[in-house]
Amino acid sequence: AQKITQTQPGMFVQEKEAVTLDCTYDTSDQSYGLFWYKQPSSGEMIFLIYQGSYDEQNATEGRYSLNFQKARKSANLVISASQLGDSAMYFCAMREDNAGNNRKLIWGLGTSLAVNP
Amino acid sequence: GAGVSQSPSNKVTEKGKDVELRCDPISGHTALYWYRQSLGQGLEFLIYFQGNSAPDKSGLPSDRFSAERTGGSVSTLTIQRTQQEDSAVYLCASSPPGRSAYGYTFGSGTRLTVV
Repeated sequence: AQKITQTQPGMFVQEKEAVTLDCTYDTSDQSYGLFWYKQPSSGEMIFLIYQGSYDEQNATEGRYSLNFQKARKSANLVISASQLGDSAMYFCAMREDNAGNNRKLIWGLGTSLAVNP
Repeated sequence: GAGVSQSPSNKVTEKGKDVELRCDPISGHTALYWYRQSLGQGLEFLIYFQGNSAPDKSGLPSDRFSAERTGGSVSTLTIQRTQQEDSAVYLCASSPPGRSAYGYTFGSGTRLTVV
């Protein structure tokens, strides 16, 4: 069964500090992709970063990096130098590339991040 | 348009009424998804369209839910005889051909409230 687990319902971080949001996944497929999305209070879902299961390097996108530990099936999001605008819900999601044509994402329940000034 | 457009942005309906939610994907995006997000929850897959292939309806929660996609572009999600548990944000997303590393582009969603 596919599953994404985000164990931190809520997190607080001081502005300008780094924060790590945890994500573990469960799949029997060898080929898959891992995504992080941000959902501010306005509701839109914003793509942040992607990691493919065969990528040897950890993905980075600006202040976002993904700490990918394949053997542990974890894909934690690291946000460096937090900003007040980073306050939002953060979702981890997985796509199994062998799941036929359907590239649906399996989602975690999210982590609510609050950045304190 | 430049993004995925959903309408209406908000819908309040009485229990038992039918509702239609519309999604206009990014031009050229062959894949279109509908998801549902209930309060405080992650996203629940509903249905997937890919080009002219038969849709994957495996996520639809009951036969009150249906969706169509006309001409490979605009999609309509219809909920018949709405129930209070249908209250949620309905999100549409589209993606281009191929296994894009950039996931989907989401619309802003339709917030459905059944009273």
